[in-house]
Amino acid sequence: QVQLQESGPGLVKPSETLSLTCTVSGGSVTRGSYFWNWIRQPAGKGLEWVGYISYRGDTNYSPSLKSRVSISAATSKNQFSLNLSSVTAADTAVYYCARVGRTTVTAGPDNYYHFYNMDVWGKGTTVTVSS
Amino acid sequence: EIVLTQSPGTLSLSPGERATLSCRASQSVGSSYLSWFQQKPGQAPRLLIYGTSNRATGIPDRFSGSGSGTDFTLTISRLEPEDFAVYYCQQSASSPPAFTFGPGTKVDLK
Repeated sequence: QVQLQESGPGLVKPSETLSLTCTVSGGSVTRGSYFWNWIRQPAGKGLEWVGYISYRGDTNYSPSLKSRVSISAATSKNQFSLNLSSVTAADTAVYYCARVGRTTVTAGPDNYYHFYNMDVWGKGTTVTVSS
Repeated sequence: EIVLTQSPGTLSLSPGERATLSCRASQSVGSSYLSWFQQKPGQAPRLLIYGTSNRATGIPDRFSGSGSGTDFTLTISRLEPEDFAVYYCQQSASSPPAFTFGPGTKVDLK
């Protein structure tokens, strides 16, 4: 059973870089058709997808955060990490890591579609941006 | 970028009642790319429905999803006390996939 655990500083100063790590147990960040995601949630607000790194090492980021976000993987430690630069108070949130599994269904020649299941989540870690 | 809107913002119901939650997309979303999540206070979200109508592992059959194109619905046939929570829809229709969430519907006790 795959489990995810976020870790990192709970307090970051404005203009600095927020760095978080997600440790994966019971699975591998390089095996299977999985995408390893970061999602955040300001207090009392909704969910915002931040980005992912795929099992192949490809990354994709939210357009609104793309200029400040970097996600990388440390495969030997079975971890993936988030770096968010130039933070402000608006980046204060609970940060979750989550796994997305992809299932491909072939409906005919050159006709296929995917299911993407965000099915495993960490418990979340609170990050506050304040001086 | 596909934008999701959810209605109503809050749904006040009693246990045993039927809940109908709506999710509308700004452009057509393939049925396989629409999911629903439940979130309770202090907890991470939990996947309920994927591919518009497929229940995730361990999800009771009182939860069902339907819809197509730009309009999708999550139905809870008979509310149990543990179902009072916030529900989010999510889409992943682009290639490579990018995920967006709706703003959520809170189901609270009437």
